[in-house]
Amino acid sequence: EVQLVESGGGLVQPGGSLRLSCAASGFTFSNYWMHWVRQAPGKGLVWVSRINSDGSNTDYADSVKGRFTISRDNAKKTLYLQMNSLRAEDTAVYYCARDNLVMTALDYWGQGTLVTVSS
Amino acid sequence: DIQMTQSPSSLSASVGDRVTITCRASQTISRYLNWYQQKPGKAPKLLIYAASSLQSGVPSRFSGSGSGTDFTLTISSLQPEDFATYYCQQTYSTLFTFGPGTTVDIK
Repeated sequence: EVQLVESGGGLVQPGGSLRLSCAASGFTFSNYWMHWVRQAPGKGLVWVSRINSDGSNTDYADSVKGRFTISRDNAKKTLYLQMNSLRAEDTAVYYCARDNLVMTALDYWGQGTLVTVSS
Repeated sequence: DIQMTQSPSSLSASVGDRVTITCRASQTISRYLNWYQQKPGKAPKLLIYAASSLQSGVPSRFSGSGSGTDFTLTISSLQPEDFATYYCQQTYSTLFTFGPGTTVDIK
């Protein structure tokens, strides 16, 4: 069974940093591109970042470019999102999701981890 | 950037109704369009990918159509478990924009 479990969320002050993790199981993690998607409270889904299967290629939404870094450790089957210079508008539930490699559809999602940026 | 719009933003329907949700892209995206269902407090679930391909395990009452800039998600006979918010997403260009969502609730 495919499982994605996020962790690392919490309360952080504006300007602070946080690293999210997403532990994968039930599939060959190293074969799949992975994504982060976020959802502010009561709002819609926003794509954040993507990483290819070996970690050599990444993409970011303009709103996080230069502040967030996506990475992965295929040996540990874990996806990461390093978030720096956090702002109030980064407050959201962050989901990791697997790319099904067919037109970049996100076929499995984690349960999400809440990041709150507030003083 | 490609902008996505959905209509309606919300609708009320009864069990057994046929429901259609429309998604429009600001420029052509071929068939790079996915549909997701999200229930309150839960992660999104992939329903349809590549505009019309049904994700494994998704009931056949869900269907998708369209290409270019205009797409539709149809639920042929609404079931109690289908009351949720539906999002389209374009994956034609990186940034992978989601639509604003359509909430389907009980009439």
